[in-house]
Amino acid sequence: EDQVTQSPEALRLQEGESSSLNCSYTVSGLRGLFWYRQDPGKGPEFLFTLYSAGEEKEKERLKATLTKKESFLHITAPKPEDSATYLCAVSGNTPLVFGKGTRLSVIA
Amino acid sequence: EPEVTQTPSHQVTQMGQEVILRCVPISNHLYFYWYRQILGQKVEFLVSFYNNEISEKSEIFDDQFSVERPDGSNFTLKIRSTKLEDSAMYFCASGRDREETQYFGPGTRLLVL
Repeated sequence: EDQVTQSPEALRLQEGESSSLNCSYTVSGLRGLFWYRQDPGKGPEFLFTLYSAGEEKEKERLKATLTKKESFLHITAPKPEDSATYLCAVSGNTPLVFGKGTRLSVIA
Repeated sequence: EPEVTQTPSHQVTQMGQEVILRCVPISNHLYFYWYRQILGQKVEFLVSFYNNEISEKSEIFDDQFSVERPDGSNFTLKIRSTKLEDSAMYFCASGRDREETQYFGPGTRLLVL
């Protein structure tokens, strides 16, 4: 059974304080790993897709990396508007299996 | 920028009633999906639809659920006889291919009383 575990569950940062979110996964035949951002009461908003170990993607203050067992979402110099829940999902036997997410709060 | 749309945004129904949730996927996408998220829990896969038929479904997607693409643009999820535990956010998603990125709609919040 495909599984995704995200840590930490919640993270509180000062504006400008860089950090990383972790996504550990077990999947039979990884087809892709996806990062989404979810604001309260809204649908997941696509951020990145990673397909193979060693791959990296970057967008503004966010950078996603992938190994054979985990992925990291690095946030550099975050701003209050980066506050959201960040979801990791894998595509394997099931189209998408999601983790519980990391709830990020960035304080000005 | 093309996006997935869903209607209604909120739906309140009585237990045992039928509900239909509607979605308009991104126009050049071929794979369509429904997911649900119970308050405070993970997003869970329900069903995928390709070439006018169900391609994959989860254990959650039992006989009370059905999906349909009634025309060239809409994609619907029907719950035949709602239960209290069906209360959740229901998300529609679409993608160009099974392995490619899925883009999600804003969701329908369903409350069963």
